[in-house]
Amino acid sequence: AQRVTQPEKLLSVFKGAPVELKCNYSYSGSPELFWYVQYSRQRLQLLLRHISRESIKGFTADLNKGETSFHLKKPFAQEEDSAMYYCALSPLTGGGNKLTFGTGTQLKVEL
Amino acid sequence: DVKVTQSSRYLVKRTGEKVFLECVQDMDHENMFWYRQDPGLGLRLIYFSYDVKMKEKGDIPEGYSVSREKKERFSLILESASTNQTSMYLCASARGDRGNYGYTFGSGTRLTVV
Repeated sequence: AQRVTQPEKLLSVFKGAPVELKCNYSYSGSPELFWYVQYSRQRLQLLLRHISRESIKGFTADLNKGETSFHLKKPFAQEEDSAMYYCALSPLTGGGNKLTFGTGTQLKVEL
Repeated sequence: DVKVTQSSRYLVKRTGEKVFLECVQDMDHENMFWYRQDPGLGLRLIYFSYDVKMKEKGDIPEGYSVSREKKERFSLILESASTNQTSMYLCASARGDRGNYGYTFGSGTRLTVV
């Protein structure tokens, strides 16, 4: 069975401060990891995929298989980053495209 | 602009009613999903479908059923609504290629069962 853990329900940082949203996973096979974001009154949308190794809106995430983590980072928080963030996992092979989500972390960027 | 459209933004239903939640996508995606989103619990998968007339149970299918008669439409059915089914319901679609390119989500239906 696969499981995604986001230990923080709420993370509050000041504008310009570094941000790290934690995500740990449990899966016996090779996972594909994602971060999704939901801004206020908007639909949930894909932020980034680990397999793409891309940086979106200044956010990056590195898959650490040894620590089974996929933490989301940004060096300088902006007010518009305030949103709910979900980490999600999909099997790399088999299991189709089924995603297992974490419980989410609400990021609040204060001025 | 590609879209996943959920027919209702807000619904209020009575306990015991049969409820239909509709979802339509215009991206020719093979895969479609229904999740419920609850504070502190994240998104939990109810049912999904890889093809027309095909369905598979997710993690919390009890009290729900689904229908996929056409590729673009995936319906979630609450056979007899109960108050513990009050939630935000999210539909999503995805390509059926090997590998996961990410989901496109609808805007959600907030269902209240009274």
